[in-house]
Amino acid sequence: QSVLTQPPSVSAAPGQKVTISCSGSSSNIGNNYVSWYQQLPGTAPKLLIYDNNKRPSGIPDRFSGSKSGTSATLGITGLQTGDEADYYCATWDSSLSVLFGGGTKLTVL
Amino acid sequence: QITLKESGPTLVKPTQTLTLTCTFSGFSLSTSGVAVGWIRQPPGKALEWLALIYWDGDKRYSPSLKSRLTITKDTSKNQVVLTMTNMDPVDTATYYCAHRPGYCVGTGCYTDWGQGTLVTVSS
Repeated sequence: QSVLTQPPSVSAAPGQKVTISCSGSSSNIGNNYVSWYQQLPGTAPKLLIYDNNKRPSGIPDRFSGSKSGTSATLGITGLQTGDEADYYCATWDSSLSVLFGGGTKLTVL
Repeated sequence: QITLKESGPTLVKPTQTLTLTCTFSGFSLSTSGVAVGWIRQPPGKALEWLALIYWDGDKRYSPSLKSRLTITKDTSKNQVVLTMTNMDPVDTATYYCAHRPGYCVGTGCYTDWGQGTLVTVSS
């Protein structure tokens, strides 16, 4: 059971928008920056969002990140079948360690 | 272009010590703010952060595994080594090393990852 809580799964139709939440506490999300990763089957994670809402070079603006209080949200618009993957949030914790969320499986119907 | 590659044994016996090496190129671990971390993923499960070493030698470990982990760096060889003692079958996982650039403010920011190496713990 991860300290950062994500929904196990979300789904939406192609072209639609989906949001994935990541809930923590003041010990982690509330006072630190959040990153989001996409992991396609059988591959290494890929950074989508860092420092709450910044996109690395090459990441399309269909992907967005936000943070409010002790929760963070990843948004994906214009869903494509290629977006089917597992998504993870990550942040620093007051225990002096990085925490990953439990992961959310996105299904594009 | 930044690349990282993990190397080490694919099979270890219970109670043995695992030593994994991350060999990287395209960045320097002597540049201010840069770090290399290790993350693992048991089959079918979530990512789990293990350890991190900064450009200045500062180290951080997962509290639950701290007593078993050691992370070191050899800047001249562009390598980071992770050792994990007293391996158990529950430690069976794909182990990744990853690069944290200096421009990230957040510590959970890893822009580049190795392909991962599957380590199986079994007698």
